Amino acid sequence: DTAVSQTPKYLVTQMGNDKSIKCEQNLGHDTMYWYKQDSKKFLKIMFSYNNKELIINETVPNRFSPKSPDKAHLNLHINSLELGDSAVYFCASSQGGSVYNEQFFGPGTRLTVL
Amino acid sequence: AQKVTQAQTEISVVEKEDVTLDCVYETRDTTYYLFWYKQPPSGELVFLIRRNSFDEQNEISGRYSWNFQKSTSSFNFTITASQVVDSAVYFCALNAGNMLTFGGGTRLMVKP
Repeated sequence: DTAVSQTPKYLVTQMGNDKSIKCEQNLGHDTMYWYKQDSKKFLKIMFSYNNKELIINETVPNRFSPKSPDKAHLNLHINSLELGDSAVYFCASSQGGSVYNEQFFGPGTRLTVL
Repeated sequence: AQKVTQAQTEISVVEKEDVTLDCVYETRDTTYYLFWYKQPPSGELVFLIRRNSFDEQNEISGRYSWNFQKSTSSFNFTITASQVVDSAVYFCALNAGNMLTFGGGTRLMVKP
């Protein structure tokens, strides 16, 4: 059973398009996250949701809009894609947002903007 | 603000050598957790260990061991008798104030 799943695994699109990445976790966690990993492997948090409420928004352009329809899902919608958005996007979840809790990561979605 | 520094961007060893990956962190929080994650070539992030700021005991798990020293703000990771399957990017991370901050990663290449 997959704990944290993301779709699609690969996404290739043209500049200016709008795309979405979906994330689902079946761990019963109440906190979910989106991270971006750039071409140099640097990982940085973008958003965090706890019980469907946004708790962390790390100065991400407002072209990125996360949506959490329920605790088990956190989708990422990106408008007007730019070349610099090319990266691997990881979804993660944890039980609570406290410093203690291990985050479980999805397999990543590799986004390529042409 | 939190910061994690992994000064070694890339390390190359021959199989069976021991290797230590360095991690230095900065935080003003007194309660925090430190993590190591492994990212193999397949790309997923695999949790290896969690250590809290009040527990400075070293930990050993098979060929892996971790040395946490609060006095130097370091949380180093040693692989004993490295194997080719250990080849991956290893990330040290700090969780303080509700946010997980990653270091830049160390790419470990183990050659046969």
